[in-house]
Amino acid sequence: DAKTTQPPSMDCAEGRAANLPCNHSTISGNEYVYWYRQIHSQGPQYIIHGLKNNETNEMASLIITEDRKSSTLILPHATLRDTAVYYCIPKLYNQGGKLIFGQGTELSVKP
Amino acid sequence: DAGVTQSPTHLIKTRGQQVTLRCSPKSGHDTVSWYQQALGQGPQFIFQYYEEEERQRGNFPDRFSGHQFPNYSSELNVNALLLGDSALYLCASSFFFRDRVTDTQYFGPGTRLTVL
Repeated sequence: DAKTTQPPSMDCAEGRAANLPCNHSTISGNEYVYWYRQIHSQGPQYIIHGLKNNETNEMASLIITEDRKSSTLILPHATLRDTAVYYCIPKLYNQGGKLIFGQGTELSVKP
Repeated sequence: DAGVTQSPTHLIKTRGQQVTLRCSPKSGHDTVSWYQQALGQGPQFIFQYYEEEERQRGNFPDRFSGHQFPNYSSELNVNALLLGDSALYLCASSFFFRDRVTDTQYFGPGTRLTVL
């Protein structure tokens, strides 16, 4: 299982872009990078996932480096409701199985 | 389209008792995974059920057991409760064999278990 490194905490001003980095230098070739977030005491919420191309959906954008050793989750216009713990999780695709959660990044969006 | 639902929301038990938690997956999903989240920690994988069988198991003792029903809903049972079992218990559902590309897991709101 690939190990991940994320900063423990980050601040972001409301309305600005939040860029959350993740290092996953031991990721294998068939592991996707998943991003989830967890607002206090709620269940984790799926955000986005990708293999090697950049991805975008209505919530966020995911930028994966060409060597796949790191990625960045971008929330283009952060709001107070984006305050949460963000988890970056490599996972094998199409094999069921577990998500391995690390400590994540606690993002605080401030007015 | 209902998402993943869990019951009850909160539960208080005493040491040595047994507890059953319930999960209904997102419509159309066939796989259920259970996670335990202690205070201040990330969720930890307990086990996963597909086709009414336990497919994968994390590092949890046999006191933790589960079941999946023909309608894909699932139960988590914990016997001989310990103080350390106090946690948020999360259920996640996904497609497995139907989705050949990925099997994204969607989480329910969780059940908060307190053991006194």
